[in-house]
Amino acid sequence: DGGITQSPKYLFRKEGQNVTLSCEQNLNHDAMYWYRQDPGQGLRLIYYSQIVNDFQKGDIAEGYSVSREKKESFPLTVTSAQKNPTAFYLCATREGRQFNQPQHFGDGTRLSIL
Amino acid sequence: RKEVEQDPGPFNVPEGATVAFNCTYSNSASQSFFWYRQDCRKEPKLLMSVYSSGNEDGRFTAQLNRASQYISLLIRDSKLSDSATYLCVVNSDNFNKFYFGSGTKLNVKP
Repeated sequence: DGGITQSPKYLFRKEGQNVTLSCEQNLNHDAMYWYRQDPGQGLRLIYYSQIVNDFQKGDIAEGYSVSREKKESFPLTVTSAQKNPTAFYLCATREGRQFNQPQHFGDGTRLSIL
Repeated sequence: RKEVEQDPGPFNVPEGATVAFNCTYSNSASQSFFWYRQDCRKEPKLLMSVYSSGNEDGRFTAQLNRASQYISLLIRDSKLSDSATYLCVVNSDNFNKFYFGSGTKLNVKP
């Protein structure tokens, strides 16, 4: 979606290394999300943030960390504690004020283990 | 039980056919419902929101059945370009938290 930038597009992680995935938005949306998608599967929620300086764990938060210091930015760190990090990572935003406001997605980061 | 369940398919249909997918959800308090389309190795893109009274957008019609807790997507006059995976999305008790189905794959053949 226009207005949501994820980088890098491809990322390789070495054993024991932490890596950080970037997500920036200029849509002025309150809520931001990180999802993980494994091949042939649906999206699973890692973390989400409804407002600056606040975030909640999703269903698979172990081995990941986030911060929300600015409204525009919601970086995701994949730590060495995440033993199976290979996946397609998607960042989404949502205006978040009313029902039936959809999420909008960046074009994703593919993470692989070296 | 999964929060959102979909038939994975694939649904293989000829061009011009009408095809329908259902998606069931477990939380009776859910209030936000969406259909997304995802092409291979791409991000999901919003197809349409689903409103209580049902809604239509061109060849696409979405319906919500609260009593039976499912949403449906009907595609009329299928095009080759409709080939994709269709994801249904439902919110949880938390206003801003959503669950995705695993997707239904559609293949439209010439």
